[in-house]
Amino acid sequence: KNEVEQSPQNLTAQEGEFITINCSYSVGISALHWLQQHPGGGIVSLFMLSSGKKKHGRLIATINIQEKHSSLHITASHPRDSAVYICATKGGSRLTFGEGTQLTVNP
Amino acid sequence: NAGVMQNPRHLVRRRGQEARLRCSPMKGHSHVYWYRQLPEEGLKFMVYLQKENIIDESGMPKERFSAEFPKEGPSILRIQQVVRGDSAAYFCASSPRQGAGEQYFGPGTRLTVT
Repeated sequence: KNEVEQSPQNLTAQEGEFITINCSYSVGISALHWLQQHPGGGIVSLFMLSSGKKKHGRLIATINIQEKHSSLHITASHPRDSAVYICATKGGSRLTFGEGTQLTVNP
Repeated sequence: NAGVMQNPRHLVRRRGQEARLRCSPMKGHSHVYWYRQLPEEGLKFMVYLQKENIIDESGMPKERFSAEFPKEGPSILRIQQVVRGDSAAYFCASSPRQGAGEQYFGPGTRLTVT
């Protein structure tokens, strides 16, 4: 069983909708990353957080350490947000990745 | 400030050949991580290196795979006698320090073994 679970696996939305992707993990961590993988395969780091909430443009990431849960929100979604979003936990030197959420935003 | 560089971006090897993947970390970064993404699977940790030291190689297959990060030059992930199952995307990431340091990813090398 993967230590990092994401839901949903696939998500289709209409342009403008509010998107939420969830991530649960089972062991203590020092930090959690949200990554975006584009259709071409490149990976971009969106957030690294260890507590509370971070916001960057239309993206918001929250983490609840006690609940071992994090969420990534996208407000006013746009077709260019279509990508795979990956949650990764950091414990020690390594990252442990979720399986990713494939997001498709239709115009 | 250039990002993490990886080359080649695409590499085709026949079974039994050697593959060498290179990663140049961001300027000022002395920590390098290698990850593998098999087709239709998630990313998996392989190895963590600092300059001239392997810190954690617990994710690396025991045979045919090796990694180095010399004092000068890029980090190298070497796969000897490649097999079809080695076909994957190999990503490298770098950070300025361990612990809370954020990791920055390279564009990846897509290895195809024919």
